[in-house]
Amino acid sequence: DAKTTQPPSMDCAEGRAANLPCNHSTISGNEYVYWYRQIHSQGPQYIIHGLKNNETNEMASLIITEDRKSSTLILPHATLRDTAVYYCIVRAREGLYGNKLVFGAGTILRVKS
Amino acid sequence: DVKVTQSSRYLVKRTGEKVFLECVQDMDHENMFWYRQDPGLGLRLIYFSYDVKMKEKGDIPEGYSVSREKKERFSLILESASTNQTSMYLCASSSTSGTTTKTQYFGPGTRLLVL
Repeated sequence: DAKTTQPPSMDCAEGRAANLPCNHSTISGNEYVYWYRQIHSQGPQYIIHGLKNNETNEMASLIITEDRKSSTLILPHATLRDTAVYYCIVRAREGLYGNKLVFGAGTILRVKS
Repeated sequence: DVKVTQSSRYLVKRTGEKVFLECVQDMDHENMFWYRQDPGLGLRLIYFSYDVKMKEKGDIPEGYSVSREKKERFSLILESASTNQTSMYLCASSSTSGTTTKTQYFGPGTRLLVL
């Protein structure tokens, strides 16, 4: 699986958009970009994933650059409950069961009032 | 909504005890996983299962075993708990078909302390 690089921490004001960047310059054609987050002492929560096109769901939007070497997770209106560690993961989906998840250090997002 | 539940949020056991961690998912997922998460080490895969009664070793299976007698339930067993098994244990499940193929959904975690 391709390696990802994320800033160690970010702050965001409550109600503003939180934009979390991720670099994955060695991504290959069959690898998807996944985002998870983990609130303190809880299990990781799936947020969104994408291959080439931008994606949006009820939680967030995922913007992937045209060359696919980087992406940005956008939380449109951050709340205090969005304070968590955010993990960007690049992985292929082939195989009977998919590959194991490997979390890097992630980005600690602190939403402040 | 996918729901993965784990039998306990917090557990305290003594060295040498046999420990059972239970995980149940309600989405008819074929695949289930057990990870442990430790500070500075990230997630590490212990075992996974892709069908009833099927199991495969992950990266750190030593000291653990698993059981999958029913599709919705995947149990992790610590045969003789040791202090180095103090950790956060996370169960996950995923489907092999549909639009969410291979996306892993996690339970809330069990924080195990072995004294």
